[in-house]
Amino acid sequence: SSELTQDPAVSVALGQTVRITCQGDTLRTYYANWYQQKPGQAPMLLIYGKNSRPPGIPDRFSGSVSGNTASLTIIGAQADDEADYHCNSRGDISGNPVFGGGTRLTVL
Amino acid sequence: EVQLVETGGGLIQPGGSLRLSCEVSGLRVNDYYMHWVRQAPGKGLEWVSVIYSGDYTYYTASVKGRFTISRDISKNTLFLQMNNLRADDTAMYYCAKEGGNDTFFDLWGLGTLVTVSS
Repeated sequence: SSELTQDPAVSVALGQTVRITCQGDTLRTYYANWYQQKPGQAPMLLIYGKNSRPPGIPDRFSGSVSGNTASLTIIGAQADDEADYHCNSRGDISGNPVFGGGTRLTVL
Repeated sequence: EVQLVETGGGLIQPGGSLRLSCEVSGLRVNDYYMHWVRQAPGKGLEWVSVIYSGDYTYYTASVKGRFTISRDISKNTLFLQMNNLRADDTAMYYCAKEGGNDTFFDLWGLGTLVTVSS
């Protein structure tokens, strides 16, 4: 299956660590990429490939994978991290991009 | 400055057509794999279409036969021709540049809103 599944919502206390997951069979073959999207804005690439960050993305954000589950970890969550987080990868059947449904992160 | 700027969205009746444009600045539209990604109101991101080198094109199943992706090198612009629009095509449409082998998108436009309604 080329589907990617994310929890719809996750919350974290200010300053704590949170892990957002993305599950799918294609992740056994291809890496997950992660995007942050704030209300009214376009998505922004956070993590790509094994665990690479574009320039300007702090190292509080990191990616990992185990089996069919990819994780985005945010260390020391800040109020500004409150956003939607989307994963994507390459579909294992079609070879075309696929996205998860997105996770809304609330920082308490 | 490297940027993507989408235009062409609007309110259209079911069955109608729209052509979206994505003006590319700071890089050449034919040097990269270019995609359209959409987001229905309150929903997640959905990949729509890609144009590869050599003008190979692919589409998600729900738009195949109705949408056509293309690019004009002289205008450095990406297009999405959308025909026979349906209510479930209502979404913000983003153009996005693919960054590398892992099918990630490292540059996004601000999007253009398409609303299909009678």
